[in-house]
Amino acid sequence: GEDVEQSLFLSVREGDSSVINCTYTDSSSTYLYWYKQEPGAGLQLLTYIFSNMDMKQDQRLTVLLNKKDKHLSLRIADTQTGDSAIYFCAESSYSGAGSYQLTFGKGTKLSVIP
Amino acid sequence: SQTIHQWPATLVQPVGSPLSLECTVEGTSNPNLYWYRQAAGRGLQLLFYSVGIGQISSEVPQNLSASRPQDRQFILSSKKLLLSDSGFYLCAFTSLVMNTEAFFGQGTRLTVV
Repeated sequence: GEDVEQSLFLSVREGDSSVINCTYTDSSSTYLYWYKQEPGAGLQLLTYIFSNMDMKQDQRLTVLLNKKDKHLSLRIADTQTGDSAIYFCAESSYSGAGSYQLTFGKGTKLSVIP
Repeated sequence: SQTIHQWPATLVQPVGSPLSLECTVEGTSNPNLYWYRQAAGRGLQLLFYSVGIGQISSEVPQNLSASRPQDRQFILSSKKLLLSDSGFYLCAFTSLVMNTEAFFGQGTRLTVV
């Protein structure tokens, strides 16, 4: 079945850039997502990229997609303490009967050191 | 606008007791609905998903069941809770029309004692 892998922990200093990486196996993925989860809360969509794009920038966030290597990354510029959270990579692929299914990675816990 | 409501936010239940978590969606029709569990504050495990009323797919064998009695209502249940059922449960939906983002509820923290 589909699989999404990401490193579990990342620690950076405030003001530095953070890069969170993700690999996936499903070559039919149509959209790839980054979600943020703050402690005790649900997930919120940060950004997404369509599979025919290789880069998307949104303020401090840059998403890079290498479709050949099935590698997705999220770069957060000028990381702030408020960016401390768990970041989930997810891919969406068609599962039949007009339905799309999301597969999530295990999440990367980003800790920002003041 | 599309919204999702999930309740209760926290729940403490004894082993062997029943469970019912409810999730409702507003602002969209015929959504795909999902129940996820997040154990120990980490990765998401897909438990159930539904593409329509009465249509439930189970991803992993477990002590839980799900039902979709109405288009925008998704219920997670158990007849007898186990200690291992403790975790953070998240309901989510996606629009069937296009491959749009998933909207998540705020989650239910279930502690089985």
